[in-house]
Parts: sequence; structure tokens; C-alpha cells
Amino acid sequence: NAGVTQTPKFRVLKTGQSMTLLCAQDMNHEYMYWYRQDPGMGLRLIHYSVGEGTTAKGEVPDGYNVSRLKKQNFLLGLESAAPSQTSVYFCASSPRGHGNQPQHFGDGTRLSIL
Amino acid sequence: DQQVKQNSPSLSVQEGRISILNCDYTNSMFDYFLWYKKYPAEGPTFLISISSIKDKNEDGRFTVFLNKSAKHLSLHIVPSQPGDSAVYFCAATSYSGGGADGLTFGKGTHLIIQP
Repeated sequence: NAGVTQTPKFRVLKTGQSMTLLCAQDMNHEYMYWYRQDPGMGLRLIHYSVGEGTTAKGEVPDGYNVSRLKKQNFLLGLESAAPSQTSVYFCASSPRGHGNQPQHFGDGTRLSIL
Repeated sequence: DQQVKQNSPSLSVQEGRISILNCDYTNSMFDYFLWYKKYPAEGPTFLISISSIKDKNEDGRFTVFLNKSAKHLSLHIVPSQPGDSAVYFCAATSYSGGGADGLTFGKGTHLIIQP
């Protein structure tokens, strides 16, 4: 019953460092998403993917890159971390198709940029 | 420009009573609405949803009402239990894009169930 798994769970970076957050899902879902949540805010969409090899920008894409080389994995990269990217990052997935298909979320990665 | 608004940051309800959480939206293209529940240090968990073709959806103790003309939805929890204490997020999306669009979230309401 793994569902959506995010690694790492916590990370502290220095300004300018780079890192990659990994999201893996075992539900054979077509769609995958990266969100960030800041204090007192709802989740905001960073990037998303509608299938292997495809990515698209969400509401707040600047400073991030993503890749979906395998259907089950969705990677979020920070090339040069900035303090403004301190946040909790959530990955989600959902199956393809019209109709009511809720997104399933991982437990988040807490990232601090010093 | 917030498209999904939850104007009550917190709500305190006595155990056994009804909890009513409210949500307003501004984007007329939204046609699918969801409620998520979130405990600290965990990801949001899907609770209940409603399509714009309906005005009510019920699942056990949880009922969501949608008033399209007022662009308003509400989540009713009856009876409220201690395990319901969590942050509740209202979210919306448009399926005109084929169902792949991400969700637009409100800021959340922290529900506290008092014994």
C-alpha cells in the first residue's frame, strides 16, 4: 500500500546548491503533479505531467525543473536553491480520464534553504 | 487573485455537533470540487468531491453542498468526532482540459473538535 512515496522527507540546503526531489507512485497513474505549500497558504501547483516524457508548467514554475522519464517517477529539480524556495513540497498522482478522479498525495518533503 | 477562498482560518466545534466548513470560488470554469483533510506532517487525504452537475454529495458523516449560482460550497460533518480535528482544504479544477489540470486550493480551515 505504498501509493505515492517522496524522498527525502527533510533536507537543508545552502543558497545556490542544487538538489532533486523524487516522487514515485505504484498505482500506474498517468498524471503526476508537484505542489508547494507555504505557511498559511494552500498548495500551489509548480509543474505537472500527463504522461511519460511530458511535462507542463503550473502556477509557480520559476526556479524549478522537472522530468518524467519513467511513468512511475516524477523528479523535481532545484538548480540553484534560493531562500524563497523554503517550503513543503507535495507530489500527487491521478489516473487518466474524464470524470471524477481525485489526486493522491505523498507525505511531503520539507525543504529549508539557508 | 485567489480563485478559491476559505475565509475561516479556524473553527472550533463540540464533539457530537455539526461542523460546517465553507468555501467560495471565483472561476466559472471550475466544474469539479474536492475536499481534502490534512494532519500535521502528512500529505492531504481525499475526503469527498462533487461535480458541478450535482448540488449535493454524501458519504457517511460527510456531505458536500454546491451552490453554483453563488459560487459557494460547504462541507458538513455530522456528528463531529475527535479524529476530525485537522486542516481541511477546499480545491477546484476544470475538466474541460481533459482531466489533467492541477488543483487550485484554498488556504485551509483548521477544524478543532472539542470534547
